[in-house]
Amino acid sequence: EAQVTQNPRYLITVTGKKLTVTCSQNMNHEYMSWYRQDPGLGLRQIYYSMNVEVTDKGDVPEGYKVSRKEKRNFPLILESPSPNQTSLYFCASSLSSGVTQYFGPGTRLTVL
Amino acid sequence: EDQVTQSPEALRLQEGESSSLNCSYTVSGLRGLFWYRQDPGKGPEFLFTLYSAGEEKEKERLKATLTKKESFLHITAPKPEDSATYLCAVIGGAQKLVFGQGTRLTINP
Repeated sequence: EAQVTQNPRYLITVTGKKLTVTCSQNMNHEYMSWYRQDPGLGLRQIYYSMNVEVTDKGDVPEGYKVSRKEKRNFPLILESPSPNQTSLYFCASSLSSGVTQYFGPGTRLTVL
Repeated sequence: EDQVTQSPEALRLQEGESSSLNCSYTVSGLRGLFWYRQDPGKGPEFLFTLYSAGEEKEKERLKATLTKKESFLHITAPKPEDSATYLCAVIGGAQKLVFGQGTRLTINP
């Protein structure tokens, strides 16, 4: 089944404790992206990757890092999480930029 | 800067009562307009992509249309299972997906 998977689905952590949210797709997509969704603010792009080893900032990149060492994986790293990063996170992928993106199930992160 | 505005913010209908959701957009060089359905706590589920004014797409009780300034998602004879938030998004010359705030649709039995 073609899909985007994320892990973990739920995470509660404390301020400053480094964490990684994994994202994987099995559709051989070149483009991958991370979004956060907050009430009243909608979906906002954090980082995106056009291909392996090619990443760039989205609209809200502060406090996040990404890497793209393999085509299928695009992990999101929070090196020192803060409470304002409490949010619902989505990974998405598409064949290329500018075409339909398919979203993962989401990761609900709470930073205390 | 690309912008998407959806209206209404929330809509409550009776089962079988048809209606339309609006998505107004400003974008430099539209490459595509997308409709997604999102259930609470879940990822957006792709519904339609529209590429040019005049284009229409249908799926079950849903029909999406596109003009040069806006898109409509028409819902015909909705059922309670159509209750969800419907998101509109565009990709323009910047090749970035920009979302609207969504319309929260509730269908009462």
